[in-house]
Amino acid sequence: GAVVSQHPSWVICKSGTSVKIECRSLDFQATTMFWYRQFPKQSLMLMATSNEGSKATYEQGVEKDKFLINHASLTLSTLTVTSAHPEDSSFYICSASALSSYNEQFFGPGTRLTVL
Amino acid sequence: DAKTTQPPSMDCAEGRAANLPCNHSTISGNEYVYWYRQIHSQGPQYIIHGLKNNETNEMASLIITEDRKSSTLILPHATLRDTAVYYCIVSHTGKLIFGQGTTLQVKP
Repeated sequence: GAVVSQHPSWVICKSGTSVKIECRSLDFQATTMFWYRQFPKQSLMLMATSNEGSKATYEQGVEKDKFLINHASLTLSTLTVTSAHPEDSSFYICSASALSSYNEQFFGPGTRLTVL
Repeated sequence: DAKTTQPPSMDCAEGRAANLPCNHSTISGNEYVYWYRQIHSQGPQYIIHGLKNNETNEMASLIITEDRKSSTLILPHATLRDTAVYYCIVSHTGKLIFGQGTTLQVKP
């Protein structure tokens, strides 16, 4: 149980285009989903927290107009990188937290974004 | 959320127990201790968590000191597939702030 999927697993796009990444909880309902970014040889950096039906809460320094997050249902959240530039190239990882007082998170496999 | 301190790297022989320490001296009473690991180029994997008592599951054991200022993750019989970066995180909000973790290298 507790499986989280991401789509696509990798994407290459041209500078200036927008890219949408999907995160799905396959066998549980996720009240909260999180988006992280990880650059090579670095740790994960939390970008934003989203609750179903609410606006996402962004971490300091993360541009909300550039990284659009939608959490329309208890099983799906999307991250859209708008007007992507080469510096946005990174490994994007989502996680989902179920209705639980322990709040453990289950992570997706990640999406490798390369902006040319 | 409290910060944690972990050694940057550790080696372990295959088949032996791997003991990964974590210091969290500023932990508050309602913060849980979580352990995750990340194998290269994959999403992190949940291992175990605890509040006060020691915990054990099919993957590992978590030993938390009585004053809760430190903990140890124990992989009882390490295999080559346990080679990964192990993250110790304390939180009560559900937000996980990842540090640099410990890179565990299991050697044959």
